Amino acid sequence: SQQGEEDPQALSIQEGENATMNCSYKTSINNLQWYRQNSGRGLVHLILIRSNEREKHSGRLRVTLDTSKKSSSLLITASRAADTASYFCATEAYTGANSKLTFGKGITLSVRP
Amino acid sequence: ETGVTQSPTHLIKTRGQQVTLRCSSQSGHNTVSWYQQALGQGPQFIFQYYREEENGRGNFPPRFSGLQFPNYSSELNVNALELDDSALYLCASSSRLDRAEKLFFGSGTQLSVL
Repeated sequence: SQQGEEDPQALSIQEGENATMNCSYKTSINNLQWYRQNSGRGLVHLILIRSNEREKHSGRLRVTLDTSKKSSSLLITASRAADTASYFCATEAYTGANSKLTFGKGITLSVRP
Repeated sequence: ETGVTQSPTHLIKTRGQQVTLRCSSQSGHNTVSWYQQALGQGPQFIFQYYREEENGRGNFPPRFSGLQFPNYSSELNVNALELDDSALYLCASSSRLDRAEKLFFGSGTQLSVL
């Protein structure tokens, strides 16, 4: 089952603009992560935010987390054509002896040159 | 590049056949997880292996099984293939058993079942 639900499903912007993607989830989490996937290839980890954090930055990426609303947002500033990809939020919930990530369906971002 | 390698990259099978997918973990990583990604969907957790034993399983039937070897490489086996098994299969490694933080994914094996 999908835990995270990303919004919008697809986003098309001009190079240089900012891209904002949102994710909502249903259950309590340990952390929330964002991954990027190019053309059905492997996923690449972008950024992780823990449940006791509200905001993190990494280069052109800014992620926020609101645990009261069970939502997160990923902001990519000054987008580039190379940012064109699918973006997934994934939540981690500690279940005891092991842990797994639960992914949303993803957002397709197109950055026009 | 993550250092996680998967083989083969593409595979075509017919319904009812069996398939084995392989994964080599990133150096130093002792935990391997397998995910299934159907077209247009996010990855779904299949199972996790640690120290050669299954350590957590998602909502997948027993015909999905795996192995982990002493060098931490891993295999995913699927018996009695069904059309719905067509998907991208992703292997991910990590260095921690109890935390799924920053998984390193391979490029995946695209399985088509005809």
